[in-house]
Amino acid sequence: AQSVTQLGSHVSVSEGALVLLRCNYSSSVPPYLFWYVQYPNQGLQLLLKYTTGATLVKGINGFEAEFKKSETSFHLTKPSAHMSDAAEYFCAVSDQRTYKYIFGTGTRLKVLA
Amino acid sequence: DGGITQSPKYLFRKEGQNVTLSCEQNLNHDAMYWYRQDPGQGLRLIYYSQIVNDFQKGDIAEGYSVSREKKESFPLTVTSAQKNPTAFYLCASSVVEGRQPQHFGDGTRLSIL
Repeated sequence: AQSVTQLGSHVSVSEGALVLLRCNYSSSVPPYLFWYVQYPNQGLQLLLKYTTGATLVKGINGFEAEFKKSETSFHLTKPSAHMSDAAEYFCAVSDQRTYKYIFGTGTRLKVLA
Repeated sequence: DGGITQSPKYLFRKEGQNVTLSCEQNLNHDAMYWYRQDPGQGLRLIYYSQIVNDFQKGDIAEGYSVSREKKESFPLTVTSAQKNPTAFYLCASSVVEGRQPQHFGDGTRLSIL
């Protein structure tokens, strides 16, 4: 069965510092991977996705993620954090057999002034 | 603009009462999903539907019911059998493929009076 693990339920960074949010997955087939962002009392917005091809994926708001098959990871990064990046971030994988989406438990990012 | 509309934004339930959460999409997606979100637990799948007049239980279906009579609509009923219904409920839709991300509504927050 596919699963997603997000290391660190809370991450704090200073404004201007590197953002690194970790995601590891397990899948018996090549995965389709997604990162979403959620602001308080709102739904989830897609940041970026990996399906096939280039393993470094660029998304919105300056975020990017790298698919590393050997490490079964899909970590999200941003070179310089902005106050507006404070939100909860979810990593997800889609099950190609059932078309269900499996989500990690989320990482809440806090940006310190 | 295409999207998903959830209503109401806030909902209160009395003891022994059934309540229905609305979800409408105009994205022409075949698949629709209901998730429950509790703090620190990520998104848990309640029900999903990949085609009109068909739906499947997710991981936490007990105390909930759904219908899918129209492609655009996937209402969720929280029954009196659901003893702990206080949560944030998210509706999503997608094409039935797996490579494409889900689109989310802005959620309904359900509380107990």
